[in-house]
Amino acid sequence: GENVEQHPSTLSVQEGDSAVIKCTYSDSASNYFPWYKQELGKRPQLIIDIRSNVGEKKDQRIAVTLNKTAKHFSLHITETQPEDSAVYFCAALGSGAGSYQLTFGKGTKLSVIP
Amino acid sequence: DAGVIQSPRHEVTEMGQEVTLRCKPISGHNSLFWYRQTMMRGLELLIYFNNNVPIDDSGMPEDRFSAKMPNASFSTLKIQPSEPRDSAVYFCASSFEQGWQYFGPGTRLTVT
Repeated sequence: GENVEQHPSTLSVQEGDSAVIKCTYSDSASNYFPWYKQELGKRPQLIIDIRSNVGEKKDQRIAVTLNKTAKHFSLHITETQPEDSAVYFCAALGSGAGSYQLTFGKGTKLSVIP
Repeated sequence: DAGVIQSPRHEVTEMGQEVTLRCKPISGHNSLFWYRQTMMRGLELLIYFNNNVPIDDSGMPEDRFSAKMPNASFSTLKIQPSEPRDSAVYFCASSFEQGWQYFGPGTRLTVT
């Protein structure tokens, strides 16, 4: 099955700096990669996703890049703000038209220091 | 749209008791997922349904856990008998086909 590795497990940045979180996956047939943000005591919420037919996607201060050859994808947050502090999870969708199963990374706890 | 609805939000029970968690997916979604989240193991998929049919239950920890989806708008996750190591937050999520998965607010289960 799919295996997703996520690094780093914790990340502290100064407000206004950029943050980068990296993930690798094992199944070369995986074709959908969402990122979730989970604030303390709340549910995971989708913040951005990318499909295998594109290499980069951007939404305001958040961007995701995908390198299918290397089987890794990354989340980039620019101009970080205290409200960006949360745990971020990457995930990969299993291969095959009939697969709906997401495999999640272990999460990255991001702390933005004012 | 009310989003994914879960009940109860908090459950405290004694070891050996039966626990039933409930989920109502977003209307029109045809896939439903049950996850368990703990500090040690992170976010784990327990089971998922597509069109009310269980597709993959390989994540269900043991026979004490069972899940049903009798119709498109309701699912239950049952633990019988419960044990202290079952304490976790249980999330239900739904999606349409291979689209975005929307999570419910979760049920925080404490087994004493």
